[in-house]
Amino acid sequence: AQSVTQLGSHVSVSEGALVLLRCNYSSSVPPYLFWYVQYPNQGLQLLLKYTSAATLVKGINGFEAEFKKSETSFHLTKPSAHMSDAAEYFCAVTSVRMNYGGSQGNLIFGKGTKLSVKP
Amino acid sequence: DAGVTQSPTHLIKTRGQHVTLRCSPISGHKSVSWYQQVLGQGPQFIFQYYEKEERGRGNFPDRFSARQFPNYSSELNVNALLLGDSALYLCASSSDRPFDSGYTFGSGTRLTVV
Repeated sequence: AQSVTQLGSHVSVSEGALVLLRCNYSSSVPPYLFWYVQYPNQGLQLLLKYTSAATLVKGINGFEAEFKKSETSFHLTKPSAHMSDAAEYFCAVTSVRMNYGGSQGNLIFGKGTKLSVKP
Repeated sequence: DAGVTQSPTHLIKTRGQHVTLRCSPISGHKSVSWYQQVLGQGPQFIFQYYEKEERGRGNFPDRFSARQFPNYSSELNVNALLLGDSALYLCASSSDRPFDSGYTFGSGTRLTVV
């Protein structure tokens, strides 16, 4: 079984400060990992994904995440927070189910971390 | 290009009623998945369809059902609505190689059961 734990339901930083959102996963098979952002009353937008290529993954809006197998972690960082980064962030894990016609898998999400940015 | 479109955007239903939610995937995407997001929680997987066949089912009661049409659009049906079914229902579409393109989500349908 796979699972995701996001430490800290609410993180608050000052504008210009480092953003660090923590995600630990559990998976008995090689995982694929995603970070999504959700703004109020909207759907989920993909920030970045790890699919077994480079362990340091760069995403949109200046975010990046590093896959650390030994620590089973995939923490999200951004060097300098902007007011527009205030949103909820979700880490998700999946694995490949090889089926005829293509490989598919469903996402398992963490409970989310709400990021607040203070002026 | 249009993204994943969901309809309606908001819906209010009474306990015991039936509801149908609709999703149109990105053009060329053959897989559609449905997720339920209760307030304050992460999305929970309900169903996945690929090429009109069910490929996965989450831990939801039989009151929940879905189908995918030849044009790859999908419907999620919920019977005998309960107050606890109030949530944001998200649809995601993906290509044959979801780990290259990622899963793209729609803006969701906000269902309120009163």
